[in-house]
Amino acid sequence: GEDVEQSLFLSVREGDSSVINCTYTDSSSTYLYWYKQEPGAGLQLLTYIFSNMDMKQDQRLTVLLNKKDKHLSLRIADTQTGDSAIYFCAESTGNTPLVFGKGTRLSVIA
Amino acid sequence: DVKVTQSSRYLVKRTGEKVFLECVQDMDHENMFWYRQDPGLGLRLIYFSYDVKMKEKGDIPEGYSVSREKKERFSLILESASTNQTSMYLCASSSTTGLRYEQYFGPGTRLTVT
Repeated sequence: GEDVEQSLFLSVREGDSSVINCTYTDSSSTYLYWYKQEPGAGLQLLTYIFSNMDMKQDQRLTVLLNKKDKHLSLRIADTQTGDSAIYFCAESTGNTPLVFGKGTRLSVIA
Repeated sequence: DVKVTQSSRYLVKRTGEKVFLECVQDMDHENMFWYRQDPGLGLRLIYFSYDVKMKEKGDIPEGYSVSREKKERFSLILESASTNQTSMYLCASSSTTGLRYEQYFGPGTRLTVT
């Protein structure tokens, strides 16, 4: 079945760039998503990328997709303490539930 | 903005009690989902529904049931709560129109079973 893998932890200094990586297995993925979960809250959709795109930029966020390697990354420029959260990668292959990774906990050190 | 609300943020129940978790969305979405989230295990899908009165089992349906009598409301039922059901429960909804099926999440209910 489909699987989405992420590293569990990432620690960066305030002002540096963060890069969160994700790999997925289903080559028929149409859209890939990044969600953010702040402590004690639900998941908030951050951004998404369509599978025929290589890159998408949205202010401090850059999403890179390597479809050949089934690799997705989220880069956060100028990381701030407010970016500390759990980040989930998810894939969609149609009108079925999204398949989520286990989440990467980003810690930003002041 | 899509709004998904859940009936309680925190809930404490005793072992053996019947527990109802309610979820309501205001965007006329066809799909609704229930997940539980535990440290190190990520999100695990319990049940989902594509339409009123329809339900599909997710990855971990044992010990749970669901009800969807109205399009906007999806209830998760723990028939006889057990301590291993202590968890964060997240509800989500999504639309079936277009090609994007991103899910919108509620704030979660942290359930403790003692």
